Amino acid sequence: DAGVIQSPRHEVTEMGQEVTLRCKPISGHNSLFWYRQTMMRGLELLIYFNNNVPIDDSGMPEDRFSAKMPNASFSTLKIQPSEPRDSAVYFCASSFLAAKLAAEQYFGPGTRLTVT
Amino acid sequence: GDSVTQMEGPVTLSEEAFLTINCTYTATGYPSLFWYVQYPGEGLQLLLKATKADDKGSNKGFEATYRKETTSFHLEKGSVQVSDSAVYFCALSETGGGADGLTFGKGTHLIIQP
Repeated sequence: DAGVIQSPRHEVTEMGQEVTLRCKPISGHNSLFWYRQTMMRGLELLIYFNNNVPIDDSGMPEDRFSAKMPNASFSTLKIQPSEPRDSAVYFCASSFLAAKLAAEQYFGPGTRLTVT
Repeated sequence: GDSVTQMEGPVTLSEEAFLTINCTYTATGYPSLFWYVQYPGEGLQLLLKATKADDKGSNKGFEATYRKETTSFHLEKGSVQVSDSAVYFCALSETGGGADGLTFGKGTHLIIQP
């Protein structure tokens, strides 16, 4: 299995530009999570999906952030317009939810975003 | 809301030393508890987990026991190796980690010197 795939691995953009981060979860997994990691705030859950449906987006910092999951094998996290304080590493994770057991979340390698 | 507190790093030890990384939590319900490890440039990997009080999770020589009375889940290893150098995250989930997102501690950077 290829694991969770994220692209791009690194993104450098100017303030005000639109940024789209992509994630391909592990085949067969039905839950997908987006996290953000910064030195100041650590790891924060932004949003998660079950069976392609957004369940909780309370962690999304502002309306500039949006996430979609059009099918079971693809998700995007979009920032428009981007700001320097959005600079962080963004992780996607997936898991298989069966019966609300302590299922392992598998993390991708992350996308390091730098907004100048 | 839920929260996880773990000791600040970096923690620097010599090879073969005993390791303890403290973790305490606050939760409204009865959470599942996890330790994740992050090696440089990589995503997080699950190291071990425990789902109920007095459960002991173990993997690769690491252990942690779910202590409900002290709301703690301290990570221990009897003899660390250079290859254990990484950032370690304590985390909890109210609904088991698969149905819901994880709440993470800030992470502890562990450095093992030869």
